[in-house]
Amino acid sequence: GQSLEQPSEVTAVEGAIVQINCTYQTSGFYGLSWYQQHDGGAPTFLSYNALDGLEETGRFSSFLSRSDSYGYLLLQELQMKDSASYFCAVPGDSSYKLIFGSGTRLLVRP
Amino acid sequence: DVKVTQSSRYLVKRTGEKVFLECVQDMDHENMFWYRQDPGLGLRLIYFSYDVKMKEKGDIPEGYSVSREKKERFSLILESASTNQTSMYLCASSSLGIQDNQPQHFGDGTRLSIL
Repeated sequence: GQSLEQPSEVTAVEGAIVQINCTYQTSGFYGLSWYQQHDGGAPTFLSYNALDGLEETGRFSSFLSRSDSYGYLLLQELQMKDSASYFCAVPGDSSYKLIFGSGTRLLVRP
Repeated sequence: DVKVTQSSRYLVKRTGEKVFLECVQDMDHENMFWYRQDPGLGLRLIYFSYDVKMKEKGDIPEGYSVSREKKERFSLILESASTNQTSMYLCASSSLGIQDNQPQHFGDGTRLSIL
């Protein structure tokens, strides 16, 4: 089956850099996705890594190591609005399905 | 922009009632999904559909059914609501498959309380 592990909570200071880790177990692998969800809001897609390495999109970067079944989301120049929950996700037993981690709640302090 | 609309933001129902949650997407997506979200458990897939009238069970289908009569609409049905179905319900849609880097687009959710 598939499973993902990520820390439940991370706290960081405005302007700092934070890394949210995700380890996964999956029988097949298409890629690792990241979603952001603000309190009371809908999850929104952030990034997708199919190949090893770092993908950068503005202040956010996502990394994947398929040999280690590991990835992370890197948030730079943290802003208060980055306070949210972040979910990693991998495909399930079909390419249509996503299996989500339990989420990491990021709190950005002034 | 993709728009996924869920019919209610908040809903209160009684134990034993039949409950319908409706979801509509406007981007002609093939795939639609229903999740429930509970604290500490992330998003768990209840059912998904990859075409009209086609459905597959997700990880927690017990106590639920779904209907997809039109491509843009996917309904979640609680046949006989129970208090352990009190949760946030999220609908999502996507085109093609994950390997095509097609993200899922979510609605704002329905917070359902069963009394």
